Amino acid sequence: DAGITQSPRYKITETGRQVTLMCHQTWSHSYMFWYRQDLGHGLRLIYYSAAADITDKGEVPDGYVVSRSKTENFPLTLESATRSQTSVYFCASSALPTGLSGYTFGSGTRLTVV
Amino acid sequence: AQSVAQPEDQVNVAEGNPLTVKCTYSVSGNPYLFWYVQYPNRGLQFLLKYITGDNLVKGSYGFEAEFNKSQTSFHLKKPSALVSDSALYFCAVRGGTDSWGKLQFGAGTQVVVTP
Repeated sequence: DAGITQSPRYKITETGRQVTLMCHQTWSHSYMFWYRQDLGHGLRLIYYSAAADITDKGEVPDGYVVSRSKTENFPLTLESATRSQTSVYFCASSALPTGLSGYTFGSGTRLTVV
Repeated sequence: AQSVAQPEDQVNVAEGNPLTVKCTYSVSGNPYLFWYVQYPNRGLQFLLKYITGDNLVKGSYGFEAEFNKSQTSFHLKKPSALVSDSALYFCAVRGGTDSWGKLQFGAGTQVVVTP
């Protein structure tokens, strides 16, 4: 997964705490996405972004906030973590708006909320 | 709204036998279809895609997929499975009218290839 990195790889946090998951890509891809992966649900889109300062909600945005002040970074913040947000989070980027190139995924962040 | 269905949670196959992982979709406009594979503790890796043209698409690691518009299906196939093909496979679709290129993923199918 060279070129798109997520940090941390693993995170344990307490209910009610704010936590930020980082995503950084080095290709200058315009389009970036955050998904969560849960057993039985596959990947569900949380937020996406078409460029710096352009973001929009996906399928499951409640409880999450994103920002994109620079093209290469797309952090995801859980404002007040809940146990239901325990999941594996994947960041992805795409060079083309049509998705013709598919996505390139990061290695994921495994978040546990206790 | 677009959707993807992978009807099998798990597919078991013996090494050397043909492998098929099923996927059906529903989208507005012409579909863009993808297959990804995920190995344990890794991100998803791109396998192949169908955008337009020949209904049989060839991808990485000997995989291929057949687009069937009338059945709205995009099944992944491999003529002779390897133990190393054991992984989680995801089908994804992007509707032709989606200008943002958002992909809708299926729930995934676990493939287990036994020696």
